[in-house]
Amino acid sequence: EPEVTQTPSHQVTQMGQEVILRCVPISNHLYFYWYRQILGQKVEFLVSFYNNEISEKSEIFDDQFSVERPDGSNFTLKIRSTKLEDSAMYFCASSERGWETGSGNEQFFGPGTRLTVL
Amino acid sequence: SQQGEEDPQALSIQEGENATMNCSYKTSINNLQWYRQNSGRGLVHLILIRSNEREKHSGRLRVTLDTSKKSSSLLITASRAADTASYFCATDARLSGNTGKLIFGQGTTLQVKP
Repeated sequence: EPEVTQTPSHQVTQMGQEVILRCVPISNHLYFYWYRQILGQKVEFLVSFYNNEISEKSEIFDDQFSVERPDGSNFTLKIRSTKLEDSAMYFCASSERGWETGSGNEQFFGPGTRLTVL
Repeated sequence: SQQGEEDPQALSIQEGENATMNCSYKTSINNLQWYRQNSGRGLVHLILIRSNEREKHSGRLRVTLDTSKKSSSLLITASRAADTASYFCATDARLSGNTGKLIFGQGTTLQVKP
């Protein structure tokens, strides 16, 4: 069964360093998302992406964050200068259809990347 | 309370019993999705129910949706130890400009004792 994959599974970085989290969505999916989950807290929406541009972003997704789909398969989240509070599990998700259907569609999540900022 | 609040926060049952988890939300929705998360792992999609649906089944899972009460329930029948996990509801709110983002609840932690 197709699945969303993410690499690395765990990333440890120093405060102020740049990190790139990578995702390979399900191949026929067109809508892509990043979420994060701080330990013990809710899963929070970061950004949605469609047709090679950001469709919506949350307040968390400030100018330190960026997303890119550099080729036909990868979808990346970059944090330019990490802060201690960026430590969290980051999840990529994709869906085949999106909001244009009027009723949405299932979002399938990857296993996550645990980011630890020291 | 916030969009997507589950109750109870924790539930402990014996194997073979049924487990019911509830979710309440605030805004009108396009759909509501239930996910399972094993400790420290990824989110596994369980079921999606659309705003015009009232009930859906998938194996041992039964989900109901009451849009008048803005609530949903997830029933796991004949539970197994392997069902031990956290369960989250997530709403795709019907808002202008919403691009399908999901708003998650705090989750219900289910423990099934062998």
